[in-house]
Amino acid sequence: DGGITQSPKYLFRKEGQNVTLSCEQNLNHDAMYWYRQDPGQGLRLIYYSQIVNDFQKGDIAEGYSVSREKKESFPLTVTSAQKNPTAFYLCASSISWAGSEKLFFGSGTQLSVL
Amino acid sequence: EDQVTQSPEALRLQEGESSSLNCSYTVSGLRGLFWYRQDPGKGPEFLFTLYSAGEEKEKERLKATLTKKESFLHITAPKPEDSATYLCAVQAGVRDDKIIFGKGTRLHILP
Repeated sequence: DGGITQSPKYLFRKEGQNVTLSCEQNLNHDAMYWYRQDPGQGLRLIYYSQIVNDFQKGDIAEGYSVSREKKESFPLTVTSAQKNPTAFYLCASSISWAGSEKLFFGSGTQLSVL
Repeated sequence: EDQVTQSPEALRLQEGESSSLNCSYTVSGLRGLFWYRQDPGKGPEFLFTLYSAGEEKEKERLKATLTKKESFLHITAPKPEDSATYLCAVQAGVRDDKIIFGKGTRLHILP
């Protein structure tokens, strides 16, 4: 079955530590996204990639980094510079960036601070 | 500033009791309005895309409508399995094609 796989489901970060969230898709989609979801808040865009080897900052990119070396993969690193990282992180993809394309979401990673 | 506001924040209904969820938006150049369903601890699942005022789409007990200022998600004779958070999102052409999400409506259907 085609879809988006996020791992791990749960992740704990120690102070000063960088952690990486994995996102893999087998939908052959060009565009990929990372969103952050806090309780009672709308989804906020962290980074997006329109095509392989290219990515752009979203609305809340500070303290995060990404790479897009392969079409299928878009990992997100939460760095120690992100002072409030506890949240539910969602990876998504769409067929392309242009046009009004629906988003396909992974099942999410819950990140907590120890 | 582009905004998407959903109301109510939470809604409790008896099984079979029909109602509507609201999504009002203020954006320049609407390109598409999306509805998603999200179950606890999971990613959102796509329901509908609406592109222009007057458009309607249906899926089982759900019907989405769109005007120039808002969208409604009508739920007819809901069942407990319809309990979820419903998210509205808007894509505005002026703002770099980014999608703006509302905070969602938590719907709980009592058996």
